[in-house]
Amino acid sequence: KNEVEQSPQNLTAQEGEFITINCSYSVGISALHWLQQHPGGGIVSLFMLSSGKKKHGRLIATINIQEKHSSLHITASHPRDSAVYICAVRHTGTASKLTFGTGTRLQVTL
Amino acid sequence: DARVTQTPRHKVTEMGQEVTMRCQPILGHNTVFWYRQTMMQGLELLAYFRNRAPLDDSGMPKDRFSAEMPDATLATLKIQPSEPRDSAVYFCASGPDRLRWAVNEQFFGPGTRLTVL
Repeated sequence: KNEVEQSPQNLTAQEGEFITINCSYSVGISALHWLQQHPGGGIVSLFMLSSGKKKHGRLIATINIQEKHSSLHITASHPRDSAVYICAVRHTGTASKLTFGTGTRLQVTL
Repeated sequence: DARVTQTPRHKVTEMGQEVTMRCQPILGHNTVFWYRQTMMQGLELLAYFRNRAPLDDSGMPKDRFSAEMPDATLATLKIQPSEPRDSAVYFCASGPDRLRWAVNEQFFGPGTRLTVL
């Protein structure tokens, strides 16, 4: 079983829909990252969080440490949100090492 | 606009050849990471450095891969000899790590797409 599991693997939505991507992990962590990988391959860090909730524009990330679960929400989705969204966890006790989920491929259509 | 740079962006080589990939971290960042991404395995950590010292290279096949930081502005990942199964996109990332166990963001380079024939 992977230490970091994401669901769904693939997601298609229409423009304007509210989107949720889930990440569950099985190890102790000090932080969780959400990354976005564009169709061209570039990777951008969206959020880094260790508790509670963070919001940036139309993106919201939440984490429940007790349940070992995080969600990434996109409100009012747009075709430019089409990308692969990757969850990564930083193991407790390691300064910077990340373990990655397999990603969720999101396609937002008009 | 500070960013991580990687060269080359694309590399096609024949099996058995040596491949060297280079990364210039963002000035002032003292942690550098090498990741490999394949369709089958997704993103995997190969090695990471803090203040130019290797902290963890357990994800790297030791017999053919080597990673170094000759100075604070250059990180290299070398494969010798290369094999077709090494075909992947190799990402470098850097980050500030002001406190030993602090939670810090990582900034990714554009990647080197390696194809070994």
